[in-house]
Amino acid sequence: EVQLVESGGGLVQPGGSLRLSCEASGFTFSHYWMSWVRQAPGKGLDWVANIRQDGSEKNYVDSVKGRFTISRDNAKNSVFLQMDSLRVEDTAVYYCARDHVGIFGVVSFDYWGQGNLVTVSS
Amino acid sequence: DIQMAQSPSSLSASIGDRVTITCRASQTISSYLNWYQQKPGKAPKLLIYAASYLQSGVPSRFSGSGSGTDFTLTISSLQPEDFATYYCQQSYSSLFTFGQGTRLEIK
Repeated sequence: EVQLVESGGGLVQPGGSLRLSCEASGFTFSHYWMSWVRQAPGKGLDWVANIRQDGSEKNYVDSVKGRFTISRDNAKNSVFLQMDSLRVEDTAVYYCARDHVGIFGVVSFDYWGQGNLVTVSS
Repeated sequence: DIQMAQSPSSLSASIGDRVTITCRASQTISSYLNWYQQKPGKAPKLLIYAASYLQSGVPSRFSGSGSGTDFTLTISSLQPEDFATYYCQQSYSSLFTFGQGTRLEIK
């Protein structure tokens, strides 16, 4: 059974840092791109970043570029999101998700973690 | 960035109704379009990928169509468990984007 379990969320002051972790099980982790998706309270879904299987390629939404860093450790079946210079508007539930490359090369998020709340507030 | 616009933003319907939700992309995205269902307090669930392919385990009352810039998600006969929020998402660009969501409520 595929499982994604996030950890590391919590309350942090504006300008602070936090590191999210997502541990995967039930599939060959090193074969998949992985993403982080967030959802502000009462709002819609926003894709944040993703990382290639070997970590050699990373993509970020403009609003987090230069502040957030995605990384992975295939030996530990884990993906991370280092969040620096946090802003109030980064407050959200953060989900990790598996990128599935399917027919025609269309990427979808076929498995999701349970979500982890990050609150940025003074 | 590719913008995704869903309509309507909210919808009231009854059990057994046929419901259609629309998603429009700001530029052509071929069939690089997925649909998700999200219930309160839960992670999203993949329903449809590549515009029209049903994800394994998803009931056949869900269907998707479209290509280019205009896409639809149809629920043929609403069931109680279908009341949720639905999102489209494009993966044509390496910077993925979601629609703003459509909240489906019980009439």
